[in-house]
Amino acid sequence: DSGVTQTPKHLITATGQRVTLRCSPRSGDLSVYWYQQSLDQGLQFLIQYYNGEERAKGNILERFSAQQFPDLHSELNLSSLELGDSALYFCASIPGLNTDTQYFGPGTRLTVL
Amino acid sequence: GENVEQHPSTLSVQEGDSAVIKCTYSDSASNYFPWYKQELGKGPQLIIDIRSNVGEKKDQRIAVTLNKTAKHFSLHITETQPEDSAVYFCAAQNNAGNMLTFGGGTRLMVKP
Repeated sequence: DSGVTQTPKHLITATGQRVTLRCSPRSGDLSVYWYQQSLDQGLQFLIQYYNGEERAKGNILERFSAQQFPDLHSELNLSSLELGDSALYFCASIPGLNTDTQYFGPGTRLTVL
Repeated sequence: GENVEQHPSTLSVQEGDSAVIKCTYSDSASNYFPWYKQELGKGPQLIIDIRSNVGEKKDQRIAVTLNKTAKHFSLHITETQPEDSAVYFCAAQNNAGNMLTFGGGTRLMVKP
């Protein structure tokens, strides 16, 4: 158990809908990363937050957004969902800004029908 | 940006044999290289990592080697066991230290 929690574990929704995925980092970790894992794209970095502020952006679509709250949990919002958004979404946390080791949560499996 | 290639995509070995997974990276400024193991239905779990100032690191049956000149690094698992069966990912961290780029993954199957 990495200490990172994610909810929900599974999410099934329809095209065009909007969903919110939640991540709670390890106790004391200030930085949260979001990744998308699909069969054909592997693990893709989406976005990083540090202590409430966006720090780095990867291949994140404009339909996707994220935020980190004062209690350090983070939410990833996915809107106007398409079939191709079906994937596993992971968050990872680290203690500081650029500490090396990232600890991953168990993921949320999103299925868009 | 960084590009990480990983080979092979699948690897099948007999229990007790060794397994080797290789990765190459493109950005010579990358300085941190972790390996993750992902079991079915779970998130990636760090198993070993190496920094650019070290050529080799070992932890029991697992070892990682790094060749900075050639920009490649490898994972070596000795005396494989059925519980080693999983998908393994290599990754490289950019110089700014805020982004991991992952390889495509290797599905390792250890046959009893």
